[in-house]
This record gives sequence, structure tokens and C-alpha cells, in this order.
Amino acid sequence: QQPVQSPQAVILREGEDAVINCSSSKALYSVHWYRQKHGEAPVFLMILLKGGEQKGHDKISASFNEKKQQSSLYLTASQLSYSGTYFCGTEMRKRDDKIIFGKGTRLHILP
Amino acid sequence: NAGVTQTPKFQVLKTGQSMTLQCAQDMNHEYMSWYRQDPGMGLRLIHYSVGAGITDQGEVPNGYNVSRSTTEDFPLRLLSAAPSQTSVYFCASSRDRALGNTIYFGEGSWLTVV
Repeated sequence: QQPVQSPQAVILREGEDAVINCSSSKALYSVHWYRQKHGEAPVFLMILLKGGEQKGHDKISASFNEKKQQSSLYLTASQLSYSGTYFCGTEMRKRDDKIIFGKGTRLHILP
Repeated sequence: NAGVTQTPKFQVLKTGQSMTLQCAQDMNHEYMSWYRQDPGMGLRLIHYSVGAGITDQGEVPNGYNVSRSTTEDFPLRLLSAAPSQTSVYFCASSRDRALGNTIYFGEGSWLTVV
């Protein structure tokens, strides 16, 4: 079951904040977040586990609401380097062998 | 550190031809997988392996074969290429399937089937 990401695309000015959402119709055990620059491989940002805390590094953080089967990625005071496509990947159960990714959210930061 | 290495980076095939996309990792990772990426579709799981000798199907396995004879290598075979298989293919690996392990992606293989 592919998770649903919203919005599909966001255009921001440098310094503005963004929120990217990832939701599933099924119960989730973990959510992965990755960022991909054009023409490059996806790069790991963070993983949130069921029962875990909100995570973050620098000005990028994420939350995981198990009851709502949702995760949100927060980008604060966005920088030009934040531009790219953000993917969430979900696992349905502990030690799930499959990580299923959403369709992605394109983020474009303007100077 | 090489990480996850994919070859070739670019390939053009004719419909009906077969080919193998190579993937190798030097991190002694147990878990390896193949994804394809198409515009507007995100990353879709083709096949995966939890260890040498073990493979299983992902979301879109039709038209692809895999094998895992060693921990390091996980080749993806297209038996009879079709234009619908034009895509960017990413190989990925992680230490094992324990929770919290980062997935590392290769640089991608751009495949065009004409």
C-alpha cells in the first residue's frame, strides 16, 4: 500500500517554512524520510519508529502519529540546499522486509 | 568507500532484448533491493533480498528476475525488454532488516527501451 504524500509540490522563498505530510491507510510501524536532488540518488534524512520520539537535525524535523497513521516532515527557515524531491517510505510491521515509498513531494526554494 | 555500485549508468535497449543491471555493495549488508523510478510514480519496489540465496517480489516484479548468490551482488535481469520498462533503476542496501537501519542507494541506471 503506497503511502500518500501531500502536497505534490511546494515553492517557497528562502527562509520560509514547509511541512510535508505522509499518510497511510494501514497501520505503520516506521516511517523513513529521504531527499533526492535532480539526477542523483535518494539520500537518507531520518527514520521514525512506532512509539518513538519526534526526530530532527539542524532545521529539519519529523513527527509520527501512530493513531492517525501519519508522519510529517518540517523544514524550518528553508535554505536553497533544501530543494529537491522528498520521499517517505513506510513499513507496516516490525522487521518488515518491504519499504514502500510515496510518490514524492517536489520542493523548490527561491532565493 | 564505494558503497553501492550500479552498472551500467546508461543503457539503450531494443524491444525484446535482454540485459542485466549489475549491483554490488561493499558494506557487508544483508538486505538489498531494486526500485524503479518513473515520473510522478515515486520509487517502486521490484525485488528484494534479505540475504544470500533468498529473494522475494516487491510491488512491480513482472518482467524482472533477480538472484542473490553472494552477499555482495544482486543483479537485476530484464528477460525481454519492453518500452514500459524505460525507467531509472536504483539498487539499495541496508545492514539488515532490523528497524532503524538506513537504506543506501546506488547512483542509478538510466534505461531506455526503444
